[in-house]
Amino acid sequence: DGGITQSPKYLFRKEGQNVTLSCEQNLNHDAMYWYRQDPGQGLRLIYYSQIVNDFQKGDIAEGYSVSREKKESFPLTVTSAQKNPTAFYLCASSMLDPAYNEQFFGPGTRLTVL
Amino acid sequence: QQQVKQSPQSLIVQKGGISIINCAYENTAFDYFPWYQQFPGKGPALLIAIRPDVSEKKEGRFTISFNKSAKQFSLHIMDSQPGDSATYFCAARRNTGNQFYFGTGTSLTVIP
Repeated sequence: DGGITQSPKYLFRKEGQNVTLSCEQNLNHDAMYWYRQDPGQGLRLIYYSQIVNDFQKGDIAEGYSVSREKKESFPLTVTSAQKNPTAFYLCASSMLDPAYNEQFFGPGTRLTVL
Repeated sequence: QQQVKQSPQSLIVQKGGISIINCAYENTAFDYFPWYQQFPGKGPALLIAIRPDVSEKKEGRFTISFNKSAKQFSLHIMDSQPGDSATYFCAARRNTGNQFYFGTGTSLTVIP
């Protein structure tokens, strides 16, 4: 089965803790993305990466960090510096070739801060 | 600043009716305009997409209309069904950097 997997599906965190959300894809896509989804605000880009060992900040990168050590993996760490981390987090991937534009999404991780 | 503006926020349509969702953008560097469908608790899935050199694209009951001069595009769902009840997002991709910008979403409810 080709696709994007995210784990865990649900995650609970105490205030002051860092947590890492996993994202893996076996689509051989070069580009990977992390979005945050809040009710009424659509999808907002946190970070994206077009190549291994390189990534760029999106619109709401503060309080988050990422790494891209392998093409297949793009984990997101939500740090204690993120003031309002409770949200639904979506990982996506796409090819860089503009002829193949579709962005594929994972099933999401719902993070709740207790 | 919202790069892609979407309306309405919510929409209720009778079964068999036409659902219309509108989006507008300002950045002329956008070169690809997809629509995504999202069910509760799931990731968005691509529904249909269009490039700016085409004014209309139809796939089954779903049609995108694109007005390049007005910088607007819309999704039309013909013969709307209860199974179409979901949240719909429009998006636009910048022609450099491969970055996507999303609208705020429309919650569609199709009443039987």
